[in-house]
Amino acid sequence: EVQLVESGGGLVQPGRSLRLSCTASGFTFGYYAMNWVRQAPGKGLEWVGFIRSKAYGGTTEYAASVKGRFTISRDDSKSIAYLQMNSLKTEDTAVYYCARDVSSGWYPELFDYWGQGTLVTVSS
Amino acid sequence: EIVLTQSPGTLSLSPGERATLSCRASQSVSSSYLVWYQQKPGQAPRLLIYGASSRATGIPDRFSGSGSGTDFTLTISRLEPEDFAVYYCQQYGSSITFGGGTKVEIK
Repeated sequence: EVQLVESGGGLVQPGRSLRLSCTASGFTFGYYAMNWVRQAPGKGLEWVGFIRSKAYGGTTEYAASVKGRFTISRDDSKSIAYLQMNSLKTEDTAVYYCARDVSSGWYPELFDYWGQGTLVTVSS
Repeated sequence: EIVLTQSPGTLSLSPGERATLSCRASQSVSSSYLVWYQQKPGQAPRLLIYGASSRATGIPDRFSGSGSGTDFTLTISRLEPEDFAVYYCQQYGSSITFGGGTKVEIK
C-alpha cells in the first residue's frame, strides 16, 4: 500500500525557517518525481514545487511565490522528500501536502497519491 | 500562467441528483493535461479523473469527465452521500495550476 506521511509542521515566526519531511512507503520511491502542494486555511490548492527522479537529474522546479525561498530535496536511500522553507512569511501559512507524481519525469504532471498534510503556521 | 475558473462556487443538490461542474481555462489546454480531484473535509485530495475523461483506479462510473480546449466538465450522474465534497480541476500543460474549487453540498 502506498503511503506518504508528512512531518515537521508547526508554529514559526516570520523570517524563520522550517523543514518538512515526506516519508514514503509501499512503492519504489526513487522512480517517481515528488511534489509539494499547499492549502491555506479555507482556500484552494496551490502547487509549490517538485523534484525529478534521479534518472532525470533530481532537479527541481518551483512556483514563483516560493522560488528562492523554498528548496526541495530527496534522499532515495531513506524514501524521504524534504521541503526546506526559509524566510517564511505569514502568507505561507497552510497545510502542506506531499504528492507522488505519476511521472519520473521532466515536468510535473498529476498526483496519484497524497499524504495527509502537515500544518505550518507562520505568525509572531 | 493558465488560470482555471471553476463554476459554480457552490452547488446545492440532493442525493440522487445529477451534478455538473465546470472548469474553464484562460487559454487552451490539451485534454491530456486536465485532471479532477475530490477533497473531503480534513482529508487530502483524491485523484478522480485524468486526461479530461479517464477515471482513476477505483473511481465509480457515476463520475465522468469531458471537454476540450478551454471548457471542461465533471459530471456526477447520481449523487451518493459520500460525493458531497469539494472538487478541483488542475492542468499541467503549462506548469501546474488548480481551479478555485466547486463545493457540492447537500441541499
